[in-house]
Amino acid sequence: KQEVTQIPAALSVPEGENLVLNCSFTDSAIYNLQWFRQDPGKGLTSLLLIQSSQREQTSGRLNASLDKSSGRSTLYIAASQPGDSATYLCAVTPPGAGSYQLTFGKGTKLSVIP
Amino acid sequence: DTGVSQDPRHKITKRGQNVTFRCDPISEHNRLYWYRQTLGQGPEFLTYFQNEAQLEKSRLLSNRFSAERPKGSFSTLEIQRTEQGDSAMYLCASSFLQGSYEQYFGPGTRLTVT
Repeated sequence: KQEVTQIPAALSVPEGENLVLNCSFTDSAIYNLQWFRQDPGKGLTSLLLIQSSQREQTSGRLNASLDKSSGRSTLYIAASQPGDSATYLCAVTPPGAGSYQLTFGKGTKLSVIP
Repeated sequence: DTGVSQDPRHKITKRGQNVTFRCDPISEHNRLYWYRQTLGQGPEFLTYFQNEAQLEKSRLLSNRFSAERPKGSFSTLEIQRTEQGDSAMYLCASSFLQGSYEQYFGPGTRLTVT
């Protein structure tokens, strides 16, 4: 059974700092990995998707990397801003023909202090 | 707005009552997913539809839960005889049938069972 772990559970940084969020998964056989952002009481916003054949994806100040063989992904946020404060979730989908259901970690709660 | 929409956003009900939630996916998306998220946890997969066919159900989906997607458009999730343990955020997501299977989420329905 696939398990996804995110460390740390919470992180507080001063504004302007660069930071890295970590995600690990137990089964390296994945189809893709998605990073999401969730604001309190809200739904999920997709940030980046990395397919299993890719090593990284970039969007603005965000960069996500994937090392499938070691079961790890990182989300790098450059020049953090107070508006980046949210919970960040990573999720993986299994390979093969099927539901491509997402298996999520519990998330990292990020606070960016002005 | 062409994103995923869910209705209602909040629902408070008494234990034992039935509730029904609605999800309208992105119009071109063939796949529709339901997830449940409790406080401090990542979302957990409940079920998914490909067009109008319900193709997979999680063991989390007890016999008090039923989901439909008539005509392959909107979907409903009904919970009968609600219990306090059903209190959670119910999230709907949709994706294309092919490609990256990137999932786009709605704002969720927050259910509170008193």
